[in-house]
Amino acid sequence: AQTVTQSQPEMSVQEAETVTLSCTYDTSESDYYLFWYKQPPSRQMILVIRQEAYKQQNATENRFSVNFQKAAKSFSLKISDSQLGDAAMYFCAAGVYANSGYALNFGKGTSLLVTP
Amino acid sequence: GAVVSQHPSWVICKSGTSVKIECRSLDFQATTMFWYRQFPKQSLMLMATSNEGSKATYEQGVEKDKFLINHASLTLSTLTVTSAHPEDSSFYICSAFLAGGRVTDTQYFGPGTRLTVL
Repeated sequence: AQTVTQSQPEMSVQEAETVTLSCTYDTSESDYYLFWYKQPPSRQMILVIRQEAYKQQNATENRFSVNFQKAAKSFSLKISDSQLGDAAMYFCAAGVYANSGYALNFGKGTSLLVTP
Repeated sequence: GAVVSQHPSWVICKSGTSVKIECRSLDFQATTMFWYRQFPKQSLMLMATSNEGSKATYEQGVEKDKFLINHASLTLSTLTVTSAHPEDSSFYICSAFLAGGRVTDTQYFGPGTRLTVL
């Protein structure tokens, strides 16, 4: 079983600044994926970024990047040049890779507030 | 990108009735779909894994006789909440898995269904 922990219930960032959301996980699996999802008020889950555990290079997607520390089982999300539209609930998730898909275990989420 | 729809988007029912929620992958075939449950201001909890043509696999603590899952085709999975009670009120989210190999396979989420049981 995998567990995902997000220790920051709420975070605040000023527009155009940078913010880092923390996530730690625990797993006994060797082949797994890690994800950050964004859930705006509409409740639609939006994939922000994904990281394959076998890759050492940190994933990046435009203004979003991760700091993946496999030994420490840490997977933080950095949002650069924050925009008002980034305000949402952010969930960290882990899934064991399988050809038929990967069921996800989610953390409790971090509510991100972006101030003008 | 790929689209997953859910119907209905919200439903209100009386206690004791059954409610069916549909999850469809609109432009791709999904051999595997997942059902999650999200209580207000809480995280998503995996309920079950649905595979086309076979019985669903339920997570520990999820009553399979209460939450019936049918994956009738490669584009449709249904979740039926039987004899619903107020404690079943929640936000139900499905996701569909688009296989494409390790690099590109992706899980797409539906917009969710809000169930309120009176």
